[in-house]
Amino acid sequence: GENVEQHPSTLSVQEGDSAVIKCTYSDSASNYFPWYKQELGKRPQLIIDIRSNVGEKKDQRIAVTLNKTAKHFSLHITETQPEDSAVYFCAARGGNTPLVFGKGTRLSVIA
Amino acid sequence: NAGVTQTPKFQVLKTGQSMTLQCAQDMNHEYMSWYRQDPGMGLRLIHYSVGAGITDQGEVPNGYNVSRSTTEDFPLRLLSAAPSQTSVYFCASSYSGPNTGELFFGEGSRLTVL
Repeated sequence: GENVEQHPSTLSVQEGDSAVIKCTYSDSASNYFPWYKQELGKRPQLIIDIRSNVGEKKDQRIAVTLNKTAKHFSLHITETQPEDSAVYFCAARGGNTPLVFGKGTRLSVIA
Repeated sequence: NAGVTQTPKFQVLKTGQSMTLQCAQDMNHEYMSWYRQDPGMGLRLIHYSVGAGITDQGEVPNGYNVSRSTTEDFPLRLLSAAPSQTSVYFCASSYSGPNTGELFFGEGSRLTVL
């Protein structure tokens, strides 16, 4: 089945700097790659997703890139703000199997 | 719409006790699932359902049972609780199958097994 690796597990950045979180997946049939944000004590919520027919997608300060050849995708957050502090999860779907999540990255934005 | 509703939010059990975590959604989603979240382990799929009367196992199904008698409800049963089942449990649902569309999560249920 699908296996998703996520790095780093923790990330600290200064406010205003950029943050990058990287994920790799194992199933070459995967074609949907969402990112979820989970604030402390809250439920995970979708922030952006990308499908395999697109190499990059942007939504204001966040962007996701996908390299299907290398089987990796990344989340980029620019001009980080304190409210970006949270745990971020990447995920991938492998063919007809359910969504598989990475283990998460705890992002801390230091003011 | 209330979205995905989970009850209870908190529960303490003794080893060997049984209980049911309730999950209901009012979005007419066909797909429903249960995840557990443990520190450093991410979100691991326990069981899922692609429609009423259909359930399947996820990554960590042992010790848990599910049923899907209606589109709206997807309860998770712990038959004989163990300390290893101490975790935060999330129910999630989406349109169509498990592979398309945004997953909507409930607020979570924190379970402690003593």
